[in-house]
Amino acid sequence: GAVVSQHPSRVICKSGTSVKIECRSLDFQATTMFWYRQFPKQSLMLMATSNEGSKATYEQGVEKDKFLINHASLTLSTLTVTSAHPEDSSFYICSAREVAADTQYFGPGTRLTVL
Amino acid sequence: GEDVEQSLFLSVREGDSSVINCTYTDSSSTYLYWYKQEPGAGLQLLTYIFSNMDMKQDQRLTVLLNKKDKHLSLRIADTQTGDSAIYFCAEILSGSARQLTFGSGTQLTVLP
Repeated sequence: GAVVSQHPSRVICKSGTSVKIECRSLDFQATTMFWYRQFPKQSLMLMATSNEGSKATYEQGVEKDKFLINHASLTLSTLTVTSAHPEDSSFYICSAREVAADTQYFGPGTRLTVL
Repeated sequence: GEDVEQSLFLSVREGDSSVINCTYTDSSSTYLYWYKQEPGAGLQLLTYIFSNMDMKQDQRLTVLLNKKDKHLSLRIADTQTGDSAIYFCAEILSGSARQLTFGSGTQLTVLP
C-alpha cells in the first residue's frame, strides 16, 4: 500500500517554543492531507483538513493561529504547534488521501511532549 | 451529528475467531474502513468495503456490512497474539472533503 511518513517521531520541547511536524506521502500525490490528535486510550480527533495550495479547514474548537498548517506541495504538509504548552502534549497523526483509491493512509505519528 | 460506535474491549484465545462490531449513522457513507493501531504507532489500513457490498473477504479477514441496520463487523479467523491491537472502524462522511469519522476503537487482547 501507499506509504506516509512523519518527522520527527518523537519530540520533547520547552513550554513556549514552536514545533514543526512534517507529513510526507512517499509514493503518491496527495491533494488532501488530514491532521489528527490522539489522547491516550482515545480515538483520533480530526484537527484540520489540508488542501494543497489553499488554506486549511479547521474543525470547531481548534485554534488556527496555534496549529499552523501548510500544504505547499502534493507530497508534503506541515503542522506547526506555536508557543507550545504542556496541554498540547499529545500524539499527532497525519493522513494522506490517495485519490485513485479514495483511501486515507496514515503516518506513524509524532509523540509531542511539552515540558 | 454523525457517530460511530464500537465496544471498547474484546478478549479471545489464540486460534479462536474474533468478531469486532461497529455501528455507524451516516447512511450515505460510500466506504467503510477498518484500521489497526499497535501501541505507539500510526494506523494501518486493514481493509475497506464499498457500501454496495455485503461482504468482503481478504485472507483471515472478513468484513460484513448490514446497511439496513448500519452495522459493520470485522471477523479475524485464527487469531494470533500479533493481532493484539486497537481496531478502529471508520466511515467517510458524505461531502467533498472525504473526512473520516472514527469509532472509539476496540482493544483486542489475544490470550495464549
